[in-house]
Amino acid sequence: GENVEQHPSTLSVQEGDSAVIKCTYSDSASNYFPWYKQELGKRPQLIIDIRSNVGEKKDQRIAVTLNKTAKHFSLHITETQPEDSAVYFCAASIRGGGSYIPTFGRGTSLIVHP
Amino acid sequence: GAVVSQHPSRVICKSGTSVKIECRSLDFQATTMFWYRQFPKQSLMLMATSNEGSKATYEQGVEKDKFLINHASLTLSTLTVTSAHPEDSSFYICSARTDYGYTFGSGTRLTVV
Repeated sequence: GENVEQHPSTLSVQEGDSAVIKCTYSDSASNYFPWYKQELGKRPQLIIDIRSNVGEKKDQRIAVTLNKTAKHFSLHITETQPEDSAVYFCAASIRGGGSYIPTFGRGTSLIVHP
Repeated sequence: GAVVSQHPSRVICKSGTSVKIECRSLDFQATTMFWYRQFPKQSLMLMATSNEGSKATYEQGVEKDKFLINHASLTLSTLTVTSAHPEDSSFYICSARTDYGYTFGSGTRLTVV
């Protein structure tokens, strides 16, 4: 089955700095890679996703890059703000037809200091 | 669109009793629902996958007789924690697969006293 590794487990940055979270996956059949933000006691919220036919996707201060050959994808947050503080999860799955189960990384606790 | 409503958000129950958690898809049909358990500061641990009209598939180590999952309709899936014990205290959250990815319920904080 799929195995997703996520690093770092904790990331502490100063407001305004950039933050990068990296994930690797094992199943070359995975073609959909969402990123979720979870605030304490709340549901994970999708913040950005990328499909395997795209190498990079950007949405304002958030970007995701995907290297299919190396089987890794990364989340980039620029100009971090205190409200970006949360736990971020990456996931890998196969999108389209059949039954598939998303595999989540272990999460990264991002702390943005004012 | 693609909203999953989960209830209750918090529940406190006595040891030995059962608790039912409901997840409803409000504006779409949830053919597949995933049930997760999350410990503080940890990732989402998949407990089981339920498909409408069929038996749930449980992950290794999850007791199917203790965590009963029912997915009787395309808009409702339930998780019943039977004979709850303090070690079952946790954050339980459901997730449905949609055309655009996955959407999560708001979670249920279960405390067994």
